[in-house]
Amino acid sequence: GDSVTQMEGPVTLSEEAFLTINCTYTATGYPSLFWYVQYPGEGLQLLLKATKADDKGSNKGFEATYRKETTSFHLEKGSVQVSDSAVYFCALSGQGAQKLVFGQGTRLTINP
Amino acid sequence: DTAVSQTPKYLVTQMGNDKSIKCEQNLGHDTMYWYKQDSKKFLKIMFSYNNKELIINETVPNRFSPKSPDKAHLNLHINSLELGDSAVYFCASSQGLAGSSYEQYFGPGTRLTVT
Repeated sequence: GDSVTQMEGPVTLSEEAFLTINCTYTATGYPSLFWYVQYPGEGLQLLLKATKADDKGSNKGFEATYRKETTSFHLEKGSVQVSDSAVYFCALSGQGAQKLVFGQGTRLTINP
Repeated sequence: DTAVSQTPKYLVTQMGNDKSIKCEQNLGHDTMYWYKQDSKKFLKIMFSYNNKELIINETVPNRFSPKSPDKAHLNLHINSLELGDSAVYFCASSQGLAGSSYEQYFGPGTRLTVT
């Protein structure tokens, strides 16, 4: 079945550091790929998405590119802020699967 | 204006009790979901409804029964609560079925603690 694997957390960085959170997936066909973010005490909210190979999703300085050849959708940000501290989830929506499959989440802490 | 709301936010109860969690969305979406998030933040779908029809039931125990009185509401009733039911439960909605590129909108979660 479809699955998503994210890098193990927690990840701790200093403000203005470069961020990469790795995400790889297994799915048949051409899934849609998502990054969701969960701030402390809140529900998940969509950060960005990509629906076909080589698409780049971007939002709030975060980017991720849908790489079909490596089945990856790594999340990057050039300069993180304390306010980016949250749990980040990679997810996929398989063709006709009728559900989102989430990775295990990566907790990110940014120190001032 | 809250898009997806859940009540209650916190629920503490004893083993064996029956409890309900309510969810409402004001986005006009056709599809609603229930997710369970465990203590390690792992998120797993439990149910999804589309136009009040059950679409997904992810091998959830029969003690869990979702009910959708209309497209805007999806409630979760849990019978005979067990310690392992302690988790955060999230309601979500989307314009269409997952399996597409539709974004899901999540509620703030209900933290259930069974003692």
